[in-house]
Amino acid sequence: QQKVQQSPESLIVPEGGMASLNCTSSDRNVDYFWWYRQHSGKSPKMLMSIFSNGEKEEGRFTVHLNKASLHTSLHIRDSQPSDSALYLCAASLNTNTGKLTFGDGTVLTVKP
Amino acid sequence: GALVYQYPRRTICKSGTSMRMECQAVGFQATSVAWYRQSPQKTFELIALSTVNSAIKYEQNFTQEKFPISHPNLSFSSMTVLNAYLEDRGLYLCGARAPGLGVEQYFGPGTRLTVL
Repeated sequence: QQKVQQSPESLIVPEGGMASLNCTSSDRNVDYFWWYRQHSGKSPKMLMSIFSNGEKEEGRFTVHLNKASLHTSLHIRDSQPSDSALYLCAASLNTNTGKLTFGDGTVLTVKP
Repeated sequence: GALVYQYPRRTICKSGTSMRMECQAVGFQATSVAWYRQSPQKTFELIALSTVNSAIKYEQNFTQEKFPISHPNLSFSSMTVLNAYLEDRGLYLCGARAPGLGVEQYFGPGTRLTVL
């Protein structure tokens, strides 16, 4: 049973638009959420992590976390074609282990 | 900065043969190394987690007999895929952590395994 669910599976947004990606864990023990971006043929690179309720913003990227529902979302404003990639959400029980459980990802395509 | 190297980047092996892949942390001492496999359908699976001073923990569906791992020091880990078959195809990623560098897990570029 998949413990980290991501939606949508794929998303197309116009250049300059807002992309919103969702992720929910079914494991109530998770403490940390991670968002990774993986360009085609490359390894995943961490975008942002969050463990506190609320919102965290870094440049064009904003992450929300609702710990009660174990739901996190990633929002990319002013999307650029270079943002086109596979976005992976991962959850971990705590920061002391290196174990991440990944979702299946959302494929984002930003059309010029 | 923290870097993780993996070798080889790509490899092809015949069905039923074995191949070894390596992971090296450069610029930091990795206290834990996790091996993942990303299938051709992009699904990620954790194979095993190797933590300094602890036994290597394998996830369900993965065994030491099939994926033996060696983690001799804080900068190097290797994993072998024994008796590889078609379902073992994919991108094998090594993720390394060093708590002194924060909570991020640094991934190497991966070893892409093709099984003929």
